[in-house]
Amino acid sequence: QKEVEQDPGPLSVPEGAIVSLNCTYSNSAFQYFMWYRQYSRKGPELLMYTYSSGNKEDGRFTAQVDKSSKYISLFIRDSQPSDSATYLCAMSEWGILTGGGNKLTFGTGTQLKVEL
Amino acid sequence: DTGVSQDPRHKITKRGQNVTFRCDPISEHNRLYWYRQTLGQGPEFLTYFQNEAQLEKSRLLSDRFSAERPKGSFSTLEIQRTEQGDSAMYLCASSHRQGVRNTEAFFGQGTRLTVV
Repeated sequence: QKEVEQDPGPLSVPEGAIVSLNCTYSNSAFQYFMWYRQYSRKGPELLMYTYSSGNKEDGRFTAQVDKSSKYISLFIRDSQPSDSATYLCAMSEWGILTGGGNKLTFGTGTQLKVEL
Repeated sequence: DTGVSQDPRHKITKRGQNVTFRCDPISEHNRLYWYRQTLGQGPEFLTYFQNEAQLEKSRLLSDRFSAERPKGSFSTLEIQRTEQGDSAMYLCASSHRQGVRNTEAFFGQGTRLTVV
């Protein structure tokens, strides 16, 4: 079983729809949660990061973390064709005392297509 | 500062040849990471450096792989005796650790390796 599970999609939605993307994880040591967007043949681009349970909002994007359920979500409001990309969740252990830093464990990514 | 830079962007090599990739992190970032991403999968951690010290290596990093960061700035990843299974996108990321805090990791565009 992978440490991070993510539905690969593809997910196709009409322009303007609300998109919900999700990941589950099994490692309780994960403390730091991120969402990256990756366009085809490009490197991942950081969208959101958080290190506490609850919601964090940035423009049209909301990241939600539920550590008790080991479940994270990314919501995209008013989706646009330019949002069409692969969305990767990523996680890391905080590693404060061990200096482990932010080595990331990624999900497989969900491919999203927003259609006109 | 234009972000994390990787060179080359694409590399096609014959099986058995050696290849070397270069990564220039964001200036002043003291942590540098290498990841590998195969088609349809999320990036997988390979190794990371803090300054010039290589602090962790994944078991994915076989003896044919070696990474260096000689002056704590740019890094190279060399693959010896390439195999077809090495075909992937090799991603570099950088972050900055100060005290007990890390910034988030920023990724480069990647080097796409094709072994024929």
